[in-house]
Amino acid sequence: DTAVSQTPKYLVTQMGNDKSIKCEQNLGHDTMYWYKQDSKKFLKIMFSYNNKELIINETVPNRFSPKSPDKAHLNLHINSLELGDSAVYFCASTQGNPPWNEQFFGPGTRLTVL
Amino acid sequence: GDSVTQMEGPVTLSEEAFLTINCTYTATGYPSLFWYVQYPGEGLQLLLKATKADDKGSNKGFEATYRKETTSFHLEKGSVQVSDSAVYFCALSELDTGNQFYFGTGTSLTVIP
Repeated sequence: DTAVSQTPKYLVTQMGNDKSIKCEQNLGHDTMYWYKQDSKKFLKIMFSYNNKELIINETVPNRFSPKSPDKAHLNLHINSLELGDSAVYFCASTQGNPPWNEQFFGPGTRLTVL
Repeated sequence: GDSVTQMEGPVTLSEEAFLTINCTYTATGYPSLFWYVQYPGEGLQLLLKATKADDKGSNKGFEATYRKETTSFHLEKGSVQVSDSAVYFCALSELDTGNQFYFGTGTSLTVIP
């Protein structure tokens, strides 16, 4: 019973391509996130969706666009991929309130741009 | 704004050694504090948490106490094992920031036999 799942686990593609990463959670949470983890393990939040509405959008290039068809899914679309986009992308979810609820993370998608 | 600072790594210890990973935070209100662990090739998992001052979180032999007076949440374990080798992240969240999580930079721990 995977709580937060992501597909694909690995993604290798050429510069300039467009790709998507899918995320699904079966925890009934109302808030979902996308994080980017670089080679030094630093986690940077990219987006947050609460009840299908964007509530955080950090300084991420507009080539990245989150899409949430329903509150159990938050997909990440990336256009015109660049070398610097190579990283591990994590999806996470949490119940919006109270704040002491932890975030649950997916297994990650390792994106390699050649 | 809110932030988390944790000690730089990497940390290398011998099996059965004592572990401390320091974490301090800055917050505008009354945050909840967390330690997450990331094993190689996996996502982050919650290790322990504390929701108010003087609370102690514990799990798998790890402990951390929420110290409001020193704004700290240091992670400790009395005797580490090879299987504890992982990256450890300190994090906070609070209602005032819409439950946004703030993660530290992570501390890599390697335990050698």
